[in-house]
Amino acid sequence: KAGVTQTPRYLIKTRGQQVTLSCSPISGHRSVSWYQQTPGQGLQFLFEYFSETQRNKGNFPGRFSGRQFSNSRSEMNVSTLELGDSALYLCASSLTNSANEQFFGPGTRLTVL
Amino acid sequence: KNEVEQSPQNLTAQEGEFITINCSYSVGISALHWLQQHPGGGIVSLFMLSSGKKKHGRLIATINIQEKHSSLHITASHPRDSAVYICAALSYSGGGADGLTFGKGTHLIIQP
Repeated sequence: KAGVTQTPRYLIKTRGQQVTLSCSPISGHRSVSWYQQTPGQGLQFLFEYFSETQRNKGNFPGRFSGRQFSNSRSEMNVSTLELGDSALYLCASSLTNSANEQFFGPGTRLTVL
Repeated sequence: KNEVEQSPQNLTAQEGEFITINCSYSVGISALHWLQQHPGGGIVSLFMLSSGKKKHGRLIATINIQEKHSSLHITASHPRDSAVYICAALSYSGGGADGLTFGKGTHLIIQP
């Protein structure tokens, strides 16, 4: 069974630009969660999607958004990039919710210049 | 808002030693995850606990709901256990699940 895939793996953007990251969950998994990891703040929860609906959102500004498609694939978008958005963005899939075992993707390393 | 604290932040031990990593949280939770992250970023889920104890190979995880505390133990530690270990708690509020709150991680180095 294929694992969670994320594209792209690396991305360099400049301040003010926007970016879209993609996550394909394990087949059969309907919940996708997104996380941001930085050296200073560690891992932080961004949002969780289930059956194309955002079920929960972390404490991030509205510049961070996401969506989930009918095949459970998910995208997250960050608009008006700031230097502080440089981070490793991880997605994780699970069968139904975060109380189930989470399977993490390799992450997308975003650098904002 | 849930606060998750891990200790120690850094731990260096000799091969074969028994390792304990602790995790405390501030509010009631429905589940607690232990994760392992190797250099390069890949994260692997080790355990998901809601009560009691789980064992997988040389790894043991326990949780005490009343004391809001969980521990991860590694028996007969090996250099390949060197990684960052992260606990993450799932709590619920009136609006539903709050999403996972993560500890800062424990950097473990096992020397041969």
